[in-house]
Amino acid sequence: GENVEQHPSTLSVQEGDSAVIKCTYSDSASNYFPWYKQELGKGPQLIIDIRSNVGEKKDQRIAVTLNKTAKHFSLHITETQPEDSAVYFCAASIGTYKYIFGTGTRLKVLA
Amino acid sequence: SQTIHQWPATLVQPVGSPLSLECTVEGTSNPNLYWYRQAAGRGLQLLFYSVGIGQISSEVPQNLSASRPQDRQFILSSKKLLLSDSGFYLCAWSLNGNEQYFGPGTRLTVT
Repeated sequence: GENVEQHPSTLSVQEGDSAVIKCTYSDSASNYFPWYKQELGKGPQLIIDIRSNVGEKKDQRIAVTLNKTAKHFSLHITETQPEDSAVYFCAASIGTYKYIFGTGTRLKVLA
Repeated sequence: SQTIHQWPATLVQPVGSPLSLECTVEGTSNPNLYWYRQAAGRGLQLLFYSVGIGQISSEVPQNLSASRPQDRQFILSSKKLLLSDSGFYLCAWSLNGNEQYFGPGTRLTVT
């Protein structure tokens, strides 16, 4: 069945350093790849997304890259700040209406 | 702008009791609606989705059911809760299969 693998499961970085989270998907028909940030006790918040016709997208300190051939996509956060600490989820579209989510990465930014 | 509401925010129920969680969306029409469950420290599992009133697709066979009595209302129910039903329940909406936006969630503890 369809699957999204996400690595690492936990990531600790020093404030100001960069963080990279990687995902691999299995369905070659997936064409939309969102990233969500979830703070403790809250619903996930969409932070950036990318479609299959684009290789890279950037929004201030966050960027996402997509390699369709390898079925890999990654989230890059530069100049990390303590408020970036949260759980991050990647997802890949399945069909028209659904996503399949990765298992999440707990990011800790150490001050 | 669109907003999504879920209630209750927290719920403690005994095993065998019924369940009703409600989700409503404001500021949009004919949204796709979704119910997810998130176990502690885990990813998001899609339970049900709906692309229109009375149209419910079930992703995981279990003792839960969903209904959509109105265009912007989505209800998650159970006749008899199990211990394994404990978790964080999230409602989400999207338009035309694009970005999904999540509500604040309901934390359910079955005792």
